[in-house]
Amino acid sequence: EPEVTQTPSHQVTQMGQEVILRCVPISNHLYFYWYRQILGQKVEFLVSFYNNEISEKSEIFDDQFSVERPDGSNFTLKIRSTKLEDSAMYFCASSDQWGGNYNEQFFGPGTRLTVL
Amino acid sequence: QQQVKQSPQSLIVQKGGIPIINCAYENTAFDYFPWYQQFPGKGPALLIAIRPDVSEKKEGRFTISFNKSAKQFSLHIMDSQPGDSATYFCAARTDSWGKLQFGAGTQVVVTP
Repeated sequence: EPEVTQTPSHQVTQMGQEVILRCVPISNHLYFYWYRQILGQKVEFLVSFYNNEISEKSEIFDDQFSVERPDGSNFTLKIRSTKLEDSAMYFCASSDQWGGNYNEQFFGPGTRLTVL
Repeated sequence: QQQVKQSPQSLIVQKGGIPIINCAYENTAFDYFPWYQQFPGKGPALLIAIRPDVSEKKEGRFTISFNKSAKQFSLHIMDSQPGDSATYFCAARTDSWGKLQFGAGTQVVVTP
């Protein structure tokens, strides 16, 4: 069964450093999302991406964040200068364009980001 | 602004019991209400979803009840098993490929 994959599974970084989180969405999907989950809290939407541009972004997704689809398979989230409060689990999700099955968003296993 | 309110925060039931998780929403533009199951260290996985034009949907041991006038929906887990122990999130969405807005989550523990 196709699945969303994410790398790395755990990233530890120093405050102020740049990090890039990588995702490989399901191959025929065209809609991509990033969500984050601070430990013990709910899943929060960050950004959605379609046709090589951002469709929607939340208040969390400020100028320190950016997304990119550098090639036909990867979807990345970059945090330019990490803060302690960026420590969270980051989930990538993807959805197909055909409208079937309620346009389910399929989630990856997540990348745990720890900012020291 | 909390778009989707979920309760309770946690729930412990014995095997065979029926945990019930409730969610309420304000935005009448929501047109899709999924429930996600999350095990520790894993991403959320879609369990069951409903649109507001139906009042109930069953898939296996999982049932969603939907009350459009009250703007509430709930998840029932019939004949619960220890393997159902997980965190359950309700969510809502306003358009087909839009963002999901999640509730706060309910940690369900099913004891043997």
